[in-house]
Amino acid sequence: DSGVTQTPKHLITATGQRVTLRCSPRSGDLSVYWYQQSLDQGLQFLIQYYNGEERAKGNILERFSAQQFPDLHSELNLSSLELGDSALYFCASSVGHGGLAGGDGELFFGEGSRLTVL
Amino acid sequence: QKEVEQDPGPLSVPEGAIVSLNCTYSNSAFQYFMWYRQYSRKGPELLMYTYSSGNKEDGRFTAQVDKSSKYISLFIRDSQPSDSATYLCAMSEGTGGFKTIFGAGTRLFVKA
Repeated sequence: DSGVTQTPKHLITATGQRVTLRCSPRSGDLSVYWYQQSLDQGLQFLIQYYNGEERAKGNILERFSAQQFPDLHSELNLSSLELGDSALYFCASSVGHGGLAGGDGELFFGEGSRLTVL
Repeated sequence: QKEVEQDPGPLSVPEGAIVSLNCTYSNSAFQYFMWYRQYSRKGPELLMYTYSSGNKEDGRFTAQVDKSSKYISLFIRDSQPSDSATYLCAMSEGTGGFKTIFGAGTRLFVKA
């Protein structure tokens, strides 16, 4: 158990709808990262928050948005959903900004939220 | 061309075999090289981490980095059915998790 909690585990919805994915980081971790994993693209970085502030943005669509709350949990909002948005969405956390092992940057991943858009 | 290329497999081997997993990359600025293991229905977990070129060994696992060839490998000795998982290589120019680029992952099956 990584200590990162994601809900819901599974979500089925229709095109055009909006969903919210939730992530609670490990206790003490200040950074939250969101990734999208699909079969052909692998893990794609979407966005990072550090202590409530957006720190980095990756290939996140304009239809997607995220925020990190004062208690450090984070939500990823996906709107105007399309079939191609079907994927696994992972949240990861780390103590610091970084993503490297052995220090304060190691990434700890949750179990993911599987989104199916029909 | 993707920055990181990884054969998706699947790779099926008998128990006890030596497994070789590989990735190639195009960005010569990558300095940090990682291998993550992802079991079915789970998130990735860091397996090994190497800085710059060279080898690193941890039990049955050995990670190799050849920066001149832009090629990294993960060897698993005496493979076990419990090693069945997807292995993702990942690499980064520097600190910052957002800078980490992941390969698509290789699915490994170890048959008892």
